[in-house]
Amino acid sequence: ETGVTQSPTHLIKTRGQQVTLRCSSQSGHNTVSWYQQALGQGPQFIFQYYREEENGRGNFPPRFSGLQFPNYSSELNVNALELDDSALYLCASSPQGEVVTEAFFGQGTRLTVV
Amino acid sequence: LAKTTQPISMDSYEGQEVNITCSHNNIATNDYITWYQQFPSQGPRFIIQGYKTKVTNEVASLFIPADRKSSTLSLPRVSLSDTAVYYCLVPRSGTYKYIFGTGTRLKVLA
Repeated sequence: ETGVTQSPTHLIKTRGQQVTLRCSSQSGHNTVSWYQQALGQGPQFIFQYYREEENGRGNFPPRFSGLQFPNYSSELNVNALELDDSALYLCASSPQGEVVTEAFFGQGTRLTVV
Repeated sequence: LAKTTQPISMDSYEGQEVNITCSHNNIATNDYITWYQQFPSQGPRFIIQGYKTKVTNEVASLFIPADRKSSTLSLPRVSLSDTAVYYCLVPRSGTYKYIFGTGTRLKVLA
């Protein structure tokens, strides 16, 4: 158990719909990162939030957006879902600092777009 | 960001020592080398992290030569439950922007 919880665990959506995924970070961690993992691939970095501000983004279109709340929990929103958005979405929490220590990943949300 | 290269897959037998080598030619001075393990449909799990020479914890050792252009994850006496994908990562100093490759798929055989 990493202390990082994600909800829901599974989700089925229709193409064109919007989805919100949630992540509760580990106590004391002020940085949250989101990753997309397609089947058979490594996780791909979507973006990172530090103290409610986005401070790093991967190669994902603007329809992928996020929020971080004062308690450091986070949401990932995806608009206009496409079939290729079907993937495991992972959230990772970590303490921000000069030295990158370990990030704690949640179990992920499996999103299926039909 | 330092790009990493590691073998796509490896097979081993229970009880053997497994060494997975990763190359990271353009690692920066302040970068640390980090290894994660991932089981199917689960989030990656931190194994070990190091900067130079050798680091050991209860599950693995990490060997880093002086030039730091490569590193070797050593898993002593693997068991069937060590079957997983192992990722070598070099995050930029001060960020958690991990660039995952395809990792090394380790299969432990009985």
